[in-house]
Amino acid sequence: DGGITQSPKYLFRKEGQNVTLSCEQNLNHDAMYWYRQDPGQGLRLIYYSQIVNDFQKGDIAEGYSVSREKKESFPLTVTSAQKNPTAFYLCASAAANTGELFFGEGSRLTVL
Amino acid sequence: GEDVEQSLFLSVREGDSSVINCTYTDSSSTYLYWYKQEPGAGLQLLTYIFSNMDMKQDQRLTVLLNKKDKHLSLRIADTQTGDSAIYFCAEIENTGGFKTIFGAGTRLFVKA
Repeated sequence: DGGITQSPKYLFRKEGQNVTLSCEQNLNHDAMYWYRQDPGQGLRLIYYSQIVNDFQKGDIAEGYSVSREKKESFPLTVTSAQKNPTAFYLCASAAANTGELFFGEGSRLTVL
Repeated sequence: GEDVEQSLFLSVREGDSSVINCTYTDSSSTYLYWYKQEPGAGLQLLTYIFSNMDMKQDQRLTVLLNKKDKHLSLRIADTQTGDSAIYFCAEIENTGGFKTIFGAGTRLFVKA
């Protein structure tokens, strides 16, 4: 089945550690996105990529990094520079014709 | 930047109609969307409307678009307990790359 796969679903991290969240899609979409969701604040865009080997900062990129070496993969690294990393992270890819976003099931990161 | 606003909570009785409202700022958006999020999961597209349409109906869902007032609404007829979820209004911002901007989400409670 086609879709977006995020892993891990739950992740615990100690302060000062970097962690990488995986996002893989087999929908053949060019565009991929990372959003952060906090209670009552909706989704905020961290990074997005319109094409392989290219990506742009979203509204809250500080403390995060990404890479887009393959069309299928768009991993997100939460670095120790991110001051408040505990959140629910959502990866998505976009259909080119309608802009519809297809989301993964999310990764919940908790900093201990 | 562009902004999408919607009320945070709505409570209805099972069998009644639910109406979720949204206002947006980018008049150049080609598409406007409604996404649904179940607890602990990613978002799924419910429906979308072209900016040149005033209304779209899809089974129990009716979307109304008032471009003059930049107002979008989602009506769910015969609301069921399974409709309890968070509903997000969204528009696409085109600033050299397509970014989907989300509202904060309306949490719909359906009372049996």
